[in-house]
Amino acid sequence: DAMVIQNPRYQVTQFGKPVTLSCSQTLNHNVMYWYQQKSSQAPKLLFHYYDKDFNNEADTPDNFQSRRPNTSFCFLDIRSPGLGDAAMYLCATSRRASGTDTQYFGPGTRLTVL
Amino acid sequence: AQSVTQLDSHVSVSEGTPVLLRCNYSSSYSPSLFWYVQHPNKGLQLLLKYTSAATLVKGINGFEAEFKKSETSFHLTKPSAHMSDAAEYFCVVREINTGTASKLTFGTGTRLQVTL
Repeated sequence: DAMVIQNPRYQVTQFGKPVTLSCSQTLNHNVMYWYQQKSSQAPKLLFHYYDKDFNNEADTPDNFQSRRPNTSFCFLDIRSPGLGDAAMYLCATSRRASGTDTQYFGPGTRLTVL
Repeated sequence: AQSVTQLDSHVSVSEGTPVLLRCNYSSSYSPSLFWYVQHPNKGLQLLLKYTSAATLVKGINGFEAEFKKSETSFHLTKPSAHMSDAAEYFCVVREINTGTASKLTFGTGTRLQVTL
């Protein structure tokens, strides 16, 4: 089945130690998104890629970076995780098509910062 | 700007009874609306979507929603709740595609509890 895959499902890191989260998709979608979801809150968009074009949300901290080496993969890098960065990180994809653009989400990576 | 209001943060029903999760939206244009479900420690799963076709939308697992423009509502219903329906439900509106991708505005979520 075509899907959005995130690895690892659970990630533990230390305060200030860089961490990378991975997302891959078999949907061949043009757009890939990264969301941060803190406990009992709605997901918050961090940034997205349309093909190789990176689009950052205005309020996303510089501590968060992303890479998309090819259509299938997208990475979220947290350069110096703080305790406040502990959250569920969700990857989503969509095909840019007017009127029918639906986002499909992966299962998420839960990040714990010690 | 678009917005979504989920009127109940928590809903509790007995198994086998109807489910109603309420959602109101605000949009300057004809919106696209979605309901997503999130089980504990899982990602978001699309339940159903409205994109200006039929106003009554049927989704997975027996859920459906009706788009009512006059009431600016998109309530989610299910005739008979099952224990496996216990989860967080998000009502979402999609912004007009003015850029390179669709941007979603999420409601604050409704936690559905199903009791025996």
